[in-house]
Amino acid sequence: AQSVAQPEDQVNVAEGNPLTVKCTYSVSGNPYLFWYVQYPNRGLQFLLKYITGDNLVKGSYGFEAEFNKSQTSFHLKKPSALVSDSALYFCAVRDSHSGTYKYIFGTGTRLKVLA
Amino acid sequence: EPEVTQTPSHQVTQMGQEVILRCVPISNHLYFYWYRQILGQKVEFLVSFYNNEISEKSEIFDDQFSVERPDGSNFTLKIRSTKLEDSAMYFCASSESRNEKLFFGSGTQLSVL
Repeated sequence: AQSVAQPEDQVNVAEGNPLTVKCTYSVSGNPYLFWYVQYPNRGLQFLLKYITGDNLVKGSYGFEAEFNKSQTSFHLKKPSALVSDSALYFCAVRDSHSGTYKYIFGTGTRLKVLA
Repeated sequence: EPEVTQTPSHQVTQMGQEVILRCVPISNHLYFYWYRQILGQKVEFLVSFYNNEISEKSEIFDDQFSVERPDGSNFTLKIRSTKLEDSAMYFCASSESRNEKLFFGSGTQLSVL
């Protein structure tokens, strides 16, 4: 069975500081990993994905994430946070080997960037 | 950028009534999904749809739920007899291929009274 965990309900960071939003996953095969962002009263928007290849993936709005197979993690990072980055962030996983179609989402981490 | 559109944005209904939530996925996409989000937090998978049939469904997607793609453009979710616990934000999503990113609509907020 596939699962994904976001251990922090909320992350607070000062504007200009680096940010990290954590995600760990569990799948039986190789993972397809995604990060999405949700602004108030909106649908989820794609940020970045890892399918295969380079462990460091770069995405929209200056975000990046590092796939770490040994730690089964896919943490989202940004070198310098902006107030406008404040939103709800979701990590998602799909197991490439199980034949499943569904993406499983984490419980979300609310990022608050303080001016 | 192309968009997934959902209507209505809000739906209020009485317990036991039928509701139909409508979605227009992106035109060249082949995979379609319904998810729901309760209290602005957990995003739960309901069903995936490919090649004009359900490809996978969750335990939540019981006999009260059904999906249709009646005309090649719309993708609907029907709840036959709504319960209080069906109150949630329902999101439609589509993707071009199985491993590609999902494009989400803005959602329909369903309130069951």
